[in-house]
Order: sequence, then C-alpha cells, then structure tokens
Amino acid sequence: ETGVTQTPRHLVMGMTNKKSLKCEQHLGHNAMYWYKQSAKKPLELMFVYSLEERVENNSVPSRFSPECPNSSHLFLHLHTLQPEDSALYLCASSEGTGRLNEQFFGPGTRLTVL
Amino acid sequence: QKEVEQNSGPLSVPEGAIASLNCTYSDRVSQSFFWYRQYSGKSPELIMSIYSNGDKEDGRFTAQLNKASQYVSLLIRDSQPSDSATYLCAVTRNSGYALNFGKGTSLLVTP
Repeated sequence: ETGVTQTPRHLVMGMTNKKSLKCEQHLGHNAMYWYKQSAKKPLELMFVYSLEERVENNSVPSRFSPECPNSSHLFLHLHTLQPEDSALYLCASSEGTGRLNEQFFGPGTRLTVL
Repeated sequence: QKEVEQNSGPLSVPEGAIASLNCTYSDRVSQSFFWYRQYSGKSPELIMSIYSNGDKEDGRFTAQLNKASQYVSLLIRDSQPSDSATYLCAVTRNSGYALNFGKGTSLLVTP
C-alpha cells in the first residue's frame, strides 16, 4: 500500500460511454498526477495538479478531462474514447518538485475500450 | 526532445549474482533521479532516489550517478528471483513536476 488508491481497478467501456476514474491520496502530498501506460511505451504524463491548480500543459485529447476538487482527490473523466486509449491509467502523488518529487503510484485502472 | 534511454533486456542473471541496470538521459538540466520497480500487472514502486554524483546504498540496492556522463545506474546485489521485474529509470528537473521515464529494463533472476 502506497497511500494512493484508485477506483475502479478494471473498466470496460464502449466508445460512446462516459465514465470517470477516481484517485485519492492519504499522504498529505501537494501534487497529483495522471499517467498513461501502454505496452512498449514509456509512462506518459497526462496531467499534473499542484494545490488543486493544473500545472504543466501536456498534449492530451479533449476526450480526457481531469478534475481536482481538493488536494487529496483527482478524477479523470472519459468520454467518446477510442480503442487506442485502452491502457493502464496510473495516478501518483508527490510532495512537490525536485527532491520532493518522489512520486508514489496507485494500483492503476486497467481500461479497455471496445 | 528530452529522452531517457534504457536497454529493454531481458537481462538474465543467476540467483546471488549482481544485476547491473543502466540508464542515460539527454537533458543536462536534470537534477533528480529515481528508480522504480514494476512487477507484471502492477504499478511502479519507488525503490531509490539519487541527487548527487556518486553512490547511494540502500540494503541490496546501490544507485550510481554521473552527471558529467549523463548516466545513472542501479546495482542489485545478491539478486533473488523476487527481484524479477521491470526497472524504470526516471529523471526530472528541480523546477518541474514531470518525471521523464525510460521504457524500462526487464530483469530475470534465475534460480
């Protein structure tokens, strides 16, 4: 247990569905992250929030929409996904940047888009 | 483009041997370096961080950093079958939140 939880652990959805992934951290960290992990590719950073403010713009399709209502919770809203979006979606948290950027990952959500 | 390069492996070592995992990075401004272990079907687990040139030891693990050569490595002494996993190298600047990850090296420790 890293102190970062994610739900659901597995999700199968059609291309017309709308679903949300949830992440919660119990570490008192200030920054939270969404990553995508696909086979044979490095972890891809999708979104970063620091103290509930989105920081560091990354090129992510608009069908992925993040939400950070407070420093302990992070959501990823999904709509009109494509089969190539099937991947492991990982949430992480850290205290901050540099030496405070030890990131601790949740167990991930395995997403399959049909 | 900032890149982190790792040999994908698999690296196969016998039980009890030293496993040596290597990583190079292209961004000279990188200041913080991390090693993660990822078992198949699981999420990455932080095992070591290093910030200064030289060696840092933690149990059976030793991280080595050479900023001049833009090189960071992880040594695992007395390798055990339970060490079989993919090891991810990650680097970051002091001013940013993003960790740049390599694709990982697959390690297999054979009994």
